Amino acid sequence: AQSVAQPEDQVNVAEGNPLTVKCTYSVSGNPYLFWYVQYPNRGLQFLLKYITGDNLVKGSYGFEAEFNKSQTSFHLKKPSALVSDSALYFCAVRDSNDYKLSFGAGTTVTVRA
Amino acid sequence: DAGVTQSPTHLIKTRGQQVTLRCSPKSGHDTVSWYQQALGQGPQFIFQYYEEEERQRGNFPDRFSGHQFPNYSSELNVNALLLGDSALYLCASREGGLAKNIQYFGAGTRLSVL
Repeated sequence: AQSVAQPEDQVNVAEGNPLTVKCTYSVSGNPYLFWYVQYPNRGLQFLLKYITGDNLVKGSYGFEAEFNKSQTSFHLKKPSALVSDSALYFCAVRDSNDYKLSFGAGTTVTVRA
Repeated sequence: DAGVTQSPTHLIKTRGQQVTLRCSPKSGHDTVSWYQQALGQGPQFIFQYYEEEERQRGNFPDRFSGHQFPNYSSELNVNALLLGDSALYLCASREGGLAKNIQYFGAGTRLSVL
Protein backbone atom coordinates (compact mmCIF):
# COMPACT_ATOMS: atom_id res chain seq x y z
CA ALA A 1 0.00 0.00 0.00
CA GLN A 2 1.10 3.54 -0.62
CA SER A 3 -0.11 6.82 0.84
CA VAL A 4 0.73 10.49 1.14
CA ALA A 5 0.05 12.96 3.92
CA GLN A 6 0.07 16.72 3.56
CA PRO A 7 -0.36 17.90 7.14
CA GLU A 8 -1.24 21.50 6.33
CA ASP A 9 -4.48 22.39 4.57
CA GLN A 10 -3.28 25.96 4.08
CA VAL A 11 0.02 27.83 4.02
CA ASN A 12 0.12 31.61 4.05
CA VAL A 13 3.30 33.59 3.37
CA ALA A 14 4.25 37.11 2.38
CA GLU A 15 5.72 37.74 -1.04
CA GLY A 16 9.49 37.46 -0.96
CA ASN A 17 9.52 35.11 2.03
CA PRO A 18 10.48 31.44 1.86
CA LEU A 19 7.73 28.96 1.12
CA THR A 20 7.60 25.39 2.41
CA VAL A 21 4.86 22.84 1.75
CA LYS A 22 5.19 19.63 3.73
CA CYS A 23 4.70 16.06 2.52
CA THR A 24 5.30 12.65 4.06
CA TYR A 25 4.78 9.33 2.34
CA SER A 26 4.48 5.61 2.90
CA VAL A 27 5.37 2.88 0.39
CA SER A 28 6.45 -0.73 0.60
CA GLY A 29 9.04 -0.50 -2.17
CA ASN A 30 11.17 2.39 -3.42
CA PRO A 31 9.33 5.71 -3.72
CA TYR A 32 8.93 7.78 -6.81
CA LEU A 33 7.85 11.22 -5.58
CA PHE A 34 6.20 14.10 -7.40
CA TRP A 35 4.84 17.58 -6.82
CA TYR A 36 2.03 19.01 -8.91
CA VAL A 37 0.31 22.39 -8.82
CA GLN A 38 -3.32 23.07 -9.67
CA TYR A 39 -4.78 26.45 -10.54
CA PRO A 40 -8.56 27.06 -10.36
CA ASN A 41 -10.52 25.14 -12.97
CA ARG A 42 -7.34 23.66 -14.38
CA GLY A 43 -5.67 20.26 -14.44
CA LEU A 44 -2.48 19.39 -12.60
CA GLN A 45 0.84 20.82 -13.74
CA PHE A 46 4.04 18.89 -13.05
CA LEU A 47 6.61 20.74 -10.91
CA LEU A 48 9.32 18.23 -10.06
CA LYS A 49 10.11 14.62 -9.28
CA TYR A 50 12.46 12.44 -7.29
CA ILE A 51 13.25 9.03 -8.72
CA THR A 52 16.79 8.34 -7.56
CA GLY A 53 20.08 10.16 -7.05
CA ASP A 54 20.62 13.57 -5.46
CA ASN A 55 18.24 14.17 -2.56
CA LEU A 56 17.72 17.81 -3.58
CA VAL A 57 15.78 18.13 -6.79
CA LYS A 58 15.09 21.32 -8.68
CA GLY A 59 11.99 21.91 -10.73
CA SER A 60 9.96 24.47 -12.58
CA TYR A 61 9.36 28.09 -11.52
CA GLY A 62 12.17 28.10 -8.94
CA PHE A 63 10.74 25.28 -6.83
CA GLU A 64 12.86 22.59 -5.25
CA ALA A 65 12.24 19.65 -2.95
CA GLU A 66 14.35 17.59 -0.60
CA PHE A 67 13.96 13.84 -0.32
CA ASN A 68 14.59 12.54 3.20
CA LYS A 69 14.46 8.76 3.36
CA SER A 70 14.79 8.45 7.13
CA GLN A 71 11.90 10.84 7.73
CA THR A 72 9.95 9.62 4.66
CA SER A 73 9.45 13.24 3.66
CA PHE A 74 9.55 15.20 0.43
CA HIS A 75 8.94 18.84 1.31
CA LEU A 76 8.49 21.44 -1.42
CA LYS A 77 10.38 24.70 -1.07
CA LYS A 78 10.85 28.02 -2.77
CA PRO A 79 13.34 30.56 -1.43
CA SER A 80 11.30 33.64 -2.38
CA ALA A 81 7.56 33.27 -2.97
CA LEU A 82 5.60 35.23 -5.56
CA VAL A 83 1.93 36.20 -5.51
CA SER A 84 1.56 34.10 -8.66
CA ASP A 85 2.58 31.00 -6.65
CA SER A 86 -0.82 31.09 -4.95
CA ALA A 87 -2.44 27.77 -5.92
CA LEU A 88 -3.26 24.25 -4.71
CA TYR A 89 -0.24 21.98 -4.36
CA PHE A 90 -0.34 18.18 -4.41
CA CYS A 91 2.34 15.73 -3.37
CA ALA A 92 2.13 12.29 -4.99
CA VAL A 93 3.93 8.99 -4.60
CA ARG A 94 4.27 5.95 -6.77
CA ASP A 95 5.70 2.72 -5.43
CA SER A 96 8.39 1.35 -7.73
CA ASN A 97 6.35 -1.88 -7.86
CA ASP A 98 3.12 -0.13 -8.82
CA TYR A 99 1.63 1.85 -11.67
CA LYS A 100 -0.74 4.25 -9.92
CA LEU A 101 -0.03 7.62 -8.36
CA SER A 102 -1.38 8.25 -4.86
CA PHE A 103 -2.01 11.88 -3.98
CA GLY A 104 -2.23 13.81 -0.77
CA ALA A 105 -5.29 15.93 0.00
CA GLY A 106 -3.52 19.07 -1.18
CA THR A 107 -2.24 22.27 0.41
CA THR A 108 -3.60 25.66 -0.55
CA VAL A 109 -0.82 28.23 -0.74
CA THR A 110 -1.66 31.90 -0.47
CA VAL A 111 1.07 34.45 -1.06
CA ARG A 112 0.09 37.97 -0.01
CA ALA A 113 1.59 41.04 -1.60
CA ASP B 1 2.89 19.84 -29.44
CA ALA B 2 -0.54 19.35 -27.95
CA GLY B 3 -0.66 18.16 -24.40
CA VAL B 4 -3.28 15.87 -22.93
CA THR B 5 -6.72 16.87 -24.20
CA GLN B 6 -10.04 15.92 -22.64
CA SER B 7 -13.61 16.33 -23.79
CA PRO B 8 -16.10 17.55 -22.94
CA THR B 9 -15.05 20.27 -20.53
CA HIS B 10 -18.27 20.20 -18.56
CA LEU B 11 -21.13 17.74 -18.40
CA ILE B 12 -24.43 17.64 -16.54
CA LYS B 13 -26.27 14.34 -16.10
CA THR B 14 -29.06 12.99 -13.94
CA ARG B 15 -28.96 10.03 -11.60
CA GLY B 16 -29.10 6.67 -13.35
CA GLN B 17 -27.76 7.95 -16.66
CA GLN B 18 -24.58 6.85 -18.35
CA VAL B 19 -21.66 9.06 -19.39
CA THR B 20 -18.59 8.75 -21.62
CA LEU B 21 -15.53 10.94 -21.18
CA ARG B 22 -12.74 11.11 -23.73
CA CYS B 23 -8.99 11.64 -23.56
CA SER B 24 -6.24 12.09 -26.15
CA PRO B 25 -2.77 11.54 -24.71
CA LYS B 26 0.25 13.71 -25.23
CA SER B 27 2.10 12.94 -28.44
CA GLY B 28 4.41 9.97 -28.00
CA HIS B 29 2.65 8.69 -24.90
CA ASP B 30 1.15 5.21 -24.85
CA THR B 31 -0.14 4.89 -21.28
CA VAL B 32 -3.33 6.55 -20.06
CA SER B 33 -4.63 6.79 -16.50
CA TRP B 34 -7.89 8.16 -15.17
CA TYR B 35 -8.39 9.88 -11.85
CA GLN B 36 -11.42 11.19 -9.98
CA GLN B 37 -11.00 14.41 -8.00
CA ALA B 38 -13.90 15.18 -5.69
CA LEU B 39 -14.27 18.72 -4.40
CA GLY B 40 -11.63 19.53 -1.81
CA GLN B 41 -9.78 16.25 -2.24
CA GLY B 42 -6.76 14.92 -4.05
CA PRO B 43 -7.16 12.86 -7.21
CA GLN B 44 -8.04 9.19 -6.73
CA PHE B 45 -6.76 6.57 -9.17
CA ILE B 46 -9.47 4.83 -11.20
CA PHE B 47 -7.49 2.71 -13.67
CA GLN B 48 -4.61 2.69 -16.14
CA TYR B 49 -4.57 1.48 -19.74
CA TYR B 50 -1.55 0.27 -21.67
CA GLU B 51 -1.53 -1.56 -24.99
CA GLU B 52 -5.34 -1.42 -25.01
CA GLU B 53 -5.58 -3.41 -21.77
CA GLU B 54 -6.51 -2.33 -18.27
CA ARG B 55 -3.21 -2.74 -16.46
CA GLN B 56 -4.26 -1.70 -12.97
CA ARG B 57 -7.47 -0.66 -11.24
CA GLY B 58 -8.16 1.37 -8.13
CA ASN B 59 -10.99 0.97 -5.63
CA PHE B 60 -13.85 1.89 -7.91
CA PRO B 61 -16.95 -0.19 -8.66
CA ASP B 62 -17.59 -1.98 -11.93
CA ARG B 63 -19.85 0.90 -12.97
CA PHE B 64 -16.58 2.55 -13.99
CA SER B 65 -15.14 1.06 -17.14
CA GLY B 66 -12.76 2.18 -19.81
CA HIS B 67 -11.23 1.54 -23.14
CA GLN B 68 -8.02 2.38 -24.98
CA PHE B 69 -7.92 2.59 -28.75
CA PRO B 70 -5.04 1.67 -31.10
CA ASN B 71 -4.10 5.37 -31.37
CA TYR B 72 -3.70 5.36 -27.53
CA SER B 73 -6.71 7.61 -26.92
CA SER B 74 -9.02 6.48 -24.16
CA GLU B 75 -12.59 6.63 -22.89
CA LEU B 76 -13.97 6.48 -19.38
CA ASN B 77 -17.53 5.19 -19.05
CA VAL B 78 -19.63 5.49 -15.94
CA ASN B 79 -22.97 3.67 -15.75
CA ALA B 80 -25.90 4.19 -13.38
CA LEU B 81 -24.64 7.57 -12.23
CA LEU B 82 -24.92 8.49 -8.56
CA LEU B 83 -24.86 11.93 -7.00
CA GLY B 84 -21.50 11.00 -5.49
CA ASP B 85 -19.99 10.62 -8.95
CA SER B 86 -19.98 14.40 -9.29
CA ALA B 87 -16.32 15.33 -9.59
CA LEU B 88 -13.52 16.50 -11.83
CA TYR B 89 -12.28 13.59 -13.93
CA LEU B 90 -8.65 13.85 -14.92
CA CYS B 91 -6.83 11.96 -17.61
CA ALA B 92 -3.07 11.56 -17.45
CA SER B 93 -0.63 10.14 -19.97
CA ARG B 94 3.00 9.07 -19.96
CA GLU B 95 5.46 7.01 -21.91
CA GLY B 96 5.28 3.38 -20.88
CA GLY B 97 8.95 2.82 -20.13
CA LEU B 98 10.16 2.93 -16.53
CA ALA B 99 12.58 5.75 -17.24
CA LYS B 100 9.77 8.10 -18.14
CA ASN B 101 7.75 8.33 -14.98
CA ILE B 102 6.14 11.74 -15.28
CA GLN B 103 2.39 11.69 -15.79
CA TYR B 104 1.03 14.72 -17.63
CA PHE B 105 -2.53 15.71 -16.87
CA GLY B 106 -5.30 17.17 -18.95
CA ALA B 107 -7.53 20.02 -17.77
CA GLY B 108 -10.25 17.56 -16.81
CA THR B 109 -13.95 17.06 -17.35
CA ARG B 110 -16.24 18.50 -14.70
CA LEU B 111 -19.16 16.08 -14.23
CA SER B 112 -22.23 17.20 -12.31
CA VAL B 113 -24.86 14.60 -11.45
CA LEU B 114 -28.26 16.00 -10.48
